[in-house]
Amino acid sequence: AQSVAQPEDQVNVAEGNPLTVKCTYSVSGNPYLFWYVQYPNRGLQFLLKYITGDNLVKGSYGFEAEFNKSQTSFHLKKPSALVSDSALYFCAVRGRDSSYKLIFGSGTRLLVRP
Amino acid sequence: DVKVTQSSRYLVKRTGEKVFLECVQDMDHENMFWYRQDPGLGLRLIYFSYDVKMKEKGDIPEGYSVSREKKERFSLILESASTNQTSMYLCASNPGEWYGVSPNEKLFFGSGTQLSVL
Repeated sequence: AQSVAQPEDQVNVAEGNPLTVKCTYSVSGNPYLFWYVQYPNRGLQFLLKYITGDNLVKGSYGFEAEFNKSQTSFHLKKPSALVSDSALYFCAVRGRDSSYKLIFGSGTRLLVRP
Repeated sequence: DVKVTQSSRYLVKRTGEKVFLECVQDMDHENMFWYRQDPGLGLRLIYFSYDVKMKEKGDIPEGYSVSREKKERFSLILESASTNQTSMYLCASNPGEWYGVSPNEKLFFGSGTQLSVL
């Protein structure tokens, strides 16, 4: 069965510091991996995806994520955090043999303090 | 830009009521989805539809039904609302394989409907 874990409910970081939001997954075969962000009172917005190819994926708003097959991880990173990055972040996974089901993690709240 | 519109931002209903949540997308997308979002549980798929009048159950379909009579509109129906259905409901869509996009490759979400069942 597919699953995705976000081990941290909340991540706190100072503005200007690098940030990492962790995600690990379990899926048979090669995965499709995604990050979405939810700002207050808004729906989810797509940030980036890994389908195949380069393990380092660049996305919107300066975010990037690194696919690590041996560790089954897809951590979200940003070199320098902004206060406006404060939001709820969701990792999601889909196995290549499943049709439509995207499995979301429980979410990690990122709080960037000035 | 793709726009996914959910008709209500907040709804308050009573136990036993029949509840309709409406979602409209303006980009001719084939696939539409209903998720519920609960703290600590992330998003869970209730139902999805890959074409008009076509639907498939997601992970938590019990207590819900859906209707897709037109391509742009996907309705979620709570036949008899219960307190455990109090949640944030999110609608999403994407173009579908006909457009060379794998299902769920990128979802476009509405702003959500916060439903409270009293």
